[in-house]
Amino acid sequence: DSGVTQTPKHLITATGQRVTLRCSPRSGDLSVYWYQQSLDQGLQFLIHYYNGEERAKGNILERFSAQQFPDLHSELNLSSLELGDSALYFCASSVGWRGGTGELFFGEGSRLTVL
Amino acid sequence: AQSVTQLGSHVSVSEGALVLLRCNYSSSVPPYLFWYVQYPNQGLQLLLKYTSAATLVKGINGFEAEFKKSETSFHLTKPSAHMSDAAEYFCAVSDPFGSSNTGKLIFGQGTTLQVKP
Repeated sequence: DSGVTQTPKHLITATGQRVTLRCSPRSGDLSVYWYQQSLDQGLQFLIHYYNGEERAKGNILERFSAQQFPDLHSELNLSSLELGDSALYFCASSVGWRGGTGELFFGEGSRLTVL
Repeated sequence: AQSVTQLGSHVSVSEGALVLLRCNYSSSVPPYLFWYVQYPNQGLQLLLKYTSAATLVKGINGFEAEFKKSETSFHLTKPSAHMSDAAEYFCAVSDPFGSSNTGKLIFGQGTTLQVKP
């Protein structure tokens, strides 16, 4: 158990819909990272938040957005869903973002299926 | 920009045989390097990490990896494969002290390890 909690574990929805994925980081971790894992793209970094502020964006579509709340949990919002958005979405957390020991702790992921 | 290349998307070994999973990285500054394992329907679990201390790093489950700067490699090995080692393995790189980095990890495409009885 990494200490990172993601909900829901599975989600099936239709094209054009909007979903929200939730992540609770490990106790004490201030950084939250979102990754997308798909068969053709592998593990792609989407976005990073540190203590409520966006720190970096990766390959995140404009239809996707995220935020980190004062209690440090984070939500990833996916809208106008397309078939190609079907993937496993991981949240990871770490203590900080600069220096340190560098490893990220991953949740078990939210599997999104768009029909 | 940093990148990671994992040579071989699938590796098959017999139980008891040596496991060698290859990873080469590209980084303009001294990197941190990681190996993660993903079992079916689970998240990623850290196997081991290199953070500029000893170049030979030992991890969990009998795995180890050696950082070779001259070869820009960080290959993962295990002397004797066990059936329970069957999983997907990811090599990752980060640049924790780079001016543009925020601690994110850049992952390779992954290598699926099959262990045959």
